[in-house]
Amino acid sequence: DVQLVESGGGLVQPGGSLRLSCAASGISVGDNYMSWVRQAPGEGLETVSIFYSGGYEFFADSVKGRFTMSRDESTNTLYLQMNSLRAADTAVYYCARGGREEPFDYWGQGTQVVVS
Amino acid sequence: DIQMTQSPSSLSASIGDRVTITCRARLSIASSLNWYQQTLGKAPKLLIYAASTLQSGVPSRFSGSGSGTDFNFTIDSLQREDFATYYCQQSYSSPNTFGQGTRVEIK
Repeated sequence: DVQLVESGGGLVQPGGSLRLSCAASGISVGDNYMSWVRQAPGEGLETVSIFYSGGYEFFADSVKGRFTMSRDESTNTLYLQMNSLRAADTAVYYCARGGREEPFDYWGQGTQVVVS
Repeated sequence: DIQMTQSPSSLSASIGDRVTITCRARLSIASSLNWYQQTLGKAPKLLIYAASTLQSGVPSRFSGSGSGTDFNFTIDSLQREDFATYYCQQSYSSPNTFGQGTRVEIK
């Protein structure tokens, strides 16, 4: 069974930083396109970032230069480092397998980020 | 970015009804169109990918069609557990943009 478990969300002041984690089991984060998708309160879905260890990285314009992605093969974990956070970054952040030309077929439960 | 427009933004229907949602892309995305279901407080769930392929384990009352810029998503014989918000999403190019969602409510 595939499981994606996010953690690291919380309350942070504007200008602060957070690092989100996505621990994967049943799939390898190094062998798949992996993405972060966020959903602001009462709003729709937005693809924030896409990562493929074979050499592809994408960031939405709204987070470019502030967010970075990385992975740890030893723990099969994907990370989203979020710096210079703004109120507009307040959302539930989901880790998902897929992105670019792949559908998002597995999702985590989400982690809440509040910038206030 | 490829803009995706869904219609309607919400609808009311009864158990057993047939429901159709439309999604339009601003430019041609071939068959690179996926549909998701999201219930309150939960992560989205992939229902249909590549415009018309049913994801494993998804009931056959869900179906999708279309190519290019115009796509349809249909639920035959709406069940109680189908009341949710549905999103289309293109996987033709990054960013993988979503439609604004269609909320399906009980009449």
